[in-house]
Amino acid sequence: KQEVTQIPAALSVPEGENLVLNCSFTDSAIYNLQWFRQDPGKGLTSLLLIQSSQREQTSGRLNASLDKSSGRSTLYIAASQPGDSATYLCAVRPATDSWGKLQFGAGTQVVVTP
Amino acid sequence: AAGVIQSPRHLIKEKRETATLKCYPIPRHDTVYWYQQGPGQDPQFLISFYEKMQSDKGSIPDRFSAQQFSDYHSELNMSSLELGDSALYFCASSPFGGQGSLYGYTFGSGTRLTVV
Repeated sequence: KQEVTQIPAALSVPEGENLVLNCSFTDSAIYNLQWFRQDPGKGLTSLLLIQSSQREQTSGRLNASLDKSSGRSTLYIAASQPGDSATYLCAVRPATDSWGKLQFGAGTQVVVTP
Repeated sequence: AAGVIQSPRHLIKEKRETATLKCYPIPRHDTVYWYQQGPGQDPQFLISFYEKMQSDKGSIPDRFSAQQFSDYHSELNMSSLELGDSALYFCASSPFGGQGSLYGYTFGSGTRLTVV
């Protein structure tokens, strides 16, 4: 069974520092990996989607890498801002699952202090 | 751009009551997924539909049922509610469901259910 782990569970950085969030998964047979942002009590906002054939995706200050063979993805957020404070979840779409339900990690709670 | 619409946003019910949650997927998305997120937990898959047929089932209690209608909207029906059912319930949609999909999910804002 696919297991997704996110380290660290929580992270606090001063404004302006770069953020590095890690996601690991046990089974490399995936179709894609998606990073989400969740504000407290709110919905999931998709940040980046990386296909299994891709090595990275970029959107503005966000960059996500994928090393499928080692079962790892990293989300980089450059020049963090207080508005980046949220919980970040990664989720994989296992290739062994016919109907594509996502397997989530527990998330990394980020606090960016002014 | 149109997003996934969920209603209601908040719902308070008493134990043993029934609740119905609605989800309207993005137009032309043929797959709908329901997830439950308890306090401090990651989202757990409940059930999914592809082209109006149930495609997969996760850890959904027998007290819960769901269906997808001809206009692709979906409803999650929850009966005999328990305190432990209090959670955020998310609906997500994706185009071209099934094996090999290259598309990601779009989630709705969720319904916060509180059982008292």
